[in-house]
Amino acid sequence: EDKVVQSPLSLVVHEGDTVTLNCSYEVTNFRSLLWYKQEKKAPTFLFMLTSSGIEKKSGRLSSILDKKELSSILNITATQTGDSAIYLCAGSYNTDKLIFGTGTRLQVFP
Amino acid sequence: DGGITQSPKYLFRKEGQNVTLSCEQNLNHDAMYWYRQDPGQGLRLIYYSQIVNDFQKGDIAEGYSVSREKKESFPLTVTSAQKNPTAFYLCASSIGRQGYWNGYTFGSGTRLTVV
Repeated sequence: EDKVVQSPLSLVVHEGDTVTLNCSYEVTNFRSLLWYKQEKKAPTFLFMLTSSGIEKKSGRLSSILDKKELSSILNITATQTGDSAIYLCAGSYNTDKLIFGTGTRLQVFP
Repeated sequence: DGGITQSPKYLFRKEGQNVTLSCEQNLNHDAMYWYRQDPGQGLRLIYYSQIVNDFQKGDIAEGYSVSREKKESFPLTVTSAQKNPTAFYLCASSIGRQGYWNGYTFGSGTRLTVV
């Protein structure tokens, strides 16, 4: 059965801390791994990773895929209260459907 | 601006009632999806459609029905057969073509509560 597992389920940090969110996947005919940020309603796209070992960066956020280990991490440096959200990881396979993990709820306090 | 519009934002359903959630997109995307989000369970796929007049069941289709009569629209009906419908429902779309796919665009969701 295809599945995506995220850890930790919940994380509480103070502003300025660096956090690492984990995602592991077992997806048949895997194509890509995606990260989304969900603050209140609609998840918004962060990264799509298809090649192993290549880091993608956007400001303080970065992500990397390890196809050998079937995993990905999302790093957030110098966290801010605006980073508080649920971070969703999803794996895609050849029918263009996404399989989502349960999400990691990040809370950043001043 | 292009995007996906879900309505209503909040919906209350009485026992035994059918309700329909609207999802409209003006992104010219071929594929559309409905997900259900419950606390601690992530997003689970209800139905998806890759072309007009065709749709497939997802992992939790029981108690739900959909139609795809127009490319822009993919309404979801929650029937009385769905025993635990209280949840947050998200509609998404994607371009749907091999080689151009870059993930989903999501609507803002509908929160359904049984009263």
